[in-house]
Amino acid sequence: GENVGLHLPTLSVQEGDNSIINCAYSNSASDYFIWYKQESGKGPQFIIDIRSNMDKRQGQRVTVLLNKTVKHLSLQIAATQPGDSAVYFCAEKGSGSARQLTFGSGTQLTVLP
Amino acid sequence: EPEVTQTPSHQVTQMGQEVILRCVPISNHLYFYWYRQILGQKVEFLVSFYNNEISEKSEIFDDQFSVERPDGSNFTLKIRSTKLEDSAMYFCASSDRAGRGYGYTFGSGTRLTVV
Repeated sequence: GENVGLHLPTLSVQEGDNSIINCAYSNSASDYFIWYKQESGKGPQFIIDIRSNMDKRQGQRVTVLLNKTVKHLSLQIAATQPGDSAVYFCAEKGSGSARQLTFGSGTQLTVLP
Repeated sequence: EPEVTQTPSHQVTQMGQEVILRCVPISNHLYFYWYRQILGQKVEFLVSFYNNEISEKSEIFDDQFSVERPDGSNFTLKIRSTKLEDSAMYFCASSDRAGRGYGYTFGSGTRLTVV
């Protein structure tokens, strides 16, 4: 079946370094991808999104890259801060009128002092 | 900033009991959703609701589950006879017509513990 998954379950980085979180997806029909941040005891919080007709999108300190050839999505966080420690999920939305999101398994990012 | 509000934050119930989880979506949103997250696992879609009816549902959303929008502000998820495996975080979400970016917002969740 179709699924969205993550390569690494945990990632530890030094404060100030850049972080890269990866995600693989298998539904080639998906046309929209989102990265969410989930802090302990909270719901998913939107970080950044990208449509399938783009390969890169930048936000404030975050960049999402989409490689449709290998069905790979990544989230880059520049100058990682302690407040960035959380679980990060990628999610996809299929094309057409369907509105449900399919989430990946999540990566726990820990920022070391 | 508008937010999706869920109550209660934590619900403990005995197996076989009925529970109702409550949500107040963002007021100008049109689409409403329930997702769940079993501890340590990914967030899973349960159901979407639009124009007072279910628009999509997953395999998880069986006859034990139902949703309702009883008035103009609340959106509820009812589990008729809870099982141990229903223990999870349940997230309500709502979205505007585009359903993208900040227009798709999640609540903080209700932690359901079935004992």
